[in-house]
Amino acid sequence: AQSVAQPEDQVNVAEGNPLTVKCTYSVSGNPYLFWYVQYPNRGLQFLLKYITGDNLVKGSYGFEAEFNKSQTSFHLKKPSALVSDSALYFCAVRRYSGAGSYQLTFGKGTKLSVIP
Amino acid sequence: NAGVTQTPKFRILKIGQSMTLQCTQDMNHNYMYWYRQDPGMGLKLIYYSVGAGITDKGEVPNGYNVSRSTTEDFPLRLELAAPSQTSVYFCASSYLGQSNEKLFFGSGTQLSVL
Repeated sequence: AQSVAQPEDQVNVAEGNPLTVKCTYSVSGNPYLFWYVQYPNRGLQFLLKYITGDNLVKGSYGFEAEFNKSQTSFHLKKPSALVSDSALYFCAVRRYSGAGSYQLTFGKGTKLSVIP
Repeated sequence: NAGVTQTPKFRILKIGQSMTLQCTQDMNHNYMYWYRQDPGMGLKLIYYSVGAGITDKGEVPNGYNVSRSTTEDFPLRLELAAPSQTSVYFCASSYLGQSNEKLFFGSGTQLSVL
C-alpha cells in the first residue's frame, strides 16, 4: 500500500536557523510526492510536488524538498526559518484507487514551531 | 476569485441530528473532495467527485452522503450524527486529478456532535 510517514509530531527551530521536516514514503513504482502547509484555522495550501526529474524541488515561500530514492525520503527544508513558518506540515503520496482514479494519502502532520 | 468556500464554519449537533455541509468553488474545477481531519491522524478522504453527476467513496464514507449536481457545488450530508463524526471537515478541488495538480482547500468546518 502507498503510504507516507512523518516521524516527528513536532519540530522546534530558532528563527534564522535552517529547518527540516521529515517524510518517508512506501510506494510501489515511481512515487508522486507532495507537501502541504496548514496555518491555524485555515485549509491546507500546496507547497510543492515531486513527480520526476531533479531530486531537489523548489516550492512556495522559500521551501524546497529533497527526494532521496535510496532512503525513500522526501524531507522538506528551508535555509532560514521565519516565525511566520510556524504551522502544520503534511506530506502526501499519490495512490491508485482503481478505475483510472488516483487519490492522495496524507501523513499525520508535523507541527513546526519557529522560536523568535 | 473566492476559490473554495465552505459553510458553516462551526456547528454543534446533537446525536441523531442531520445536517449538510456546503462547498462551492468558482474555479471551474472538475474534481472535488471531502476530507475529515482528526488530531494526530492527518486527513482522511470521505468522498470525491470527478465531475457533475459522478461521485465515489473514499477511505471513510460511512455515515456520509454526497451529491454533485453542478460543477460548482459538492455538499456533504451527515445523517444521524454520531460523536465519532466530531471532526474538522475540509472541501477541496482540483482541475485535473489530484495526482498531477495541486488541491485547493476551503477553510474548513468544525463540527461537534454531542
